[in-house]
Amino acid sequence: KAGVTQTPRYLIKTRGQQVTLSCSPISGHRSVSWYQQTPGQGLQFLFEYFSETQRNKGNFPGRFSGRQFSNSRSEMNVSTLELGDSALYLCASSLGPSRDEKLFFGSGTQLSVL
Amino acid sequence: GQQVMQIPQYQHVQEGEDFTTYCNSSTTLSNIQWYKQRPGGHPVFLIQLVKSGEVKKQKRLTFQFGEAKKNSSLHITATQTTDVGTYFCAGRRGSGGSNYKLTFGKGTLLTVNP
Repeated sequence: KAGVTQTPRYLIKTRGQQVTLSCSPISGHRSVSWYQQTPGQGLQFLFEYFSETQRNKGNFPGRFSGRQFSNSRSEMNVSTLELGDSALYLCASSLGPSRDEKLFFGSGTQLSVL
Repeated sequence: GQQVMQIPQYQHVQEGEDFTTYCNSSTTLSNIQWYKQRPGGHPVFLIQLVKSGEVKKQKRLTFQFGEAKKNSSLHITATQTTDVGTYFCAGRRGSGGSNYKLTFGKGTLLTVNP
């Protein structure tokens, strides 16, 4: 069974630009969550989607948004990039709420904002 | 909001020594998970604890969930170089709805001197 796939693996952008990251969950997994990882702040929860609906949202500004498609694939978008958005963005999938909730993480997208 | 504190932030041990990382929540948790992230890798699920006072073992790893379901620990007996990495706890609060999100501790980075 293929794991969680995130694309692209690396991304370099400049301030003010926008970026879209993609995540394909494990087959059969309907829940996708996104995390921002930085050396100083650890893993910060961005949002979680299940069946195309956002279930939970972390404390990030509105520049961070996401969506989930009917095939459970998910995208997250960051608009008007700031230097502080440089981080590893991790996507994780699971079967769904109230089921086996262990998360399977992708390898992440390393975003650098110059 | 919910906070999950993890200590220590760093731990360096000689191979063969024991290692323990502690996780404390400001609120009662419905369950707690533990993940390991190798350097340059992504978090990998280790275990989930659900019951008050629960203790689970995986070979040299022992996981405990406190009686009040507000703290947890991971103990590694006789560390090996393969144990190197960052260990994260992650707690969920409530049983559903907007509060049912996974909050990660900042992790404990374990290094092992061979």
